Amino acid sequence: DAKTTQPNSMESNEEEPVHLPCNHSTISGTDYIHWYRQLPSQGPEYVIHGLTSNVNNRMASLAIAEDRKSSTLILHRATLRDAAVYYCILFLYNQGGKLIFGQGTELSVKP
Amino acid sequence: DGGITQSPKYLFRKEGQNVTLSCEQNLNHDAMYWYRQDPGQGLRLIYYSQIVNDFQKGDIAEGYSVSREKKESFPLTVTSAQKNPTAFYLCASSGVRGLSGNTIYFGEGSWLTVV
Repeated sequence: DAKTTQPNSMESNEEEPVHLPCNHSTISGTDYIHWYRQLPSQGPEYVIHGLTSNVNNRMASLAIAEDRKSSTLILHRATLRDAAVYYCILFLYNQGGKLIFGQGTELSVKP
Repeated sequence: DGGITQSPKYLFRKEGQNVTLSCEQNLNHDAMYWYRQDPGQGLRLIYYSQIVNDFQKGDIAEGYSVSREKKESFPLTVTSAQKNPTAFYLCASSGVRGLSGNTIYFGEGSWLTVV
């Protein structure tokens, strides 16, 4: 079965880059990699997603390993507002969009 | 604007009662999902549906039921058989085919408390 693995927590200093890793060694060729973040008692917020190539948007960058068995979410300059739980999610395209969540990484940002 | 709406935001259930959480989307998404989240924990899949009139059990389906009579709606019923229903419930939807690609949208969540 597909599975994602993330560290439980990470710390960063404000204004510094943050690299959040995710392992998904069982990923198949059509599975997309999504990243969402969640604040307490709120629905998850979209951050970024990709399939094979690295992706950039205004919030973050997504670096996908060449073998696709891991990916890294990169926040280029962490702010206090980036403190949240970050989830790596596999979107199983060939299983009708079944979602596989990692356990999430709680990111804390120090001023 | 398109989006996904959950209601109610807060719900209280008495012992032995069934309660239903509503989830509606106007995004023309094929797939819809229900997740349960306990304090400080990740999301666990209860049920998901890929198409109207069809749904599959997730990891923790016992004590829950769903229906998918319309594409836009995927209500979750928490039955009296669910012994520990107090949790935060999240609904999501995603496009699998066509122009909506594989975007995922989450609702704002519903808090259910047993009293």
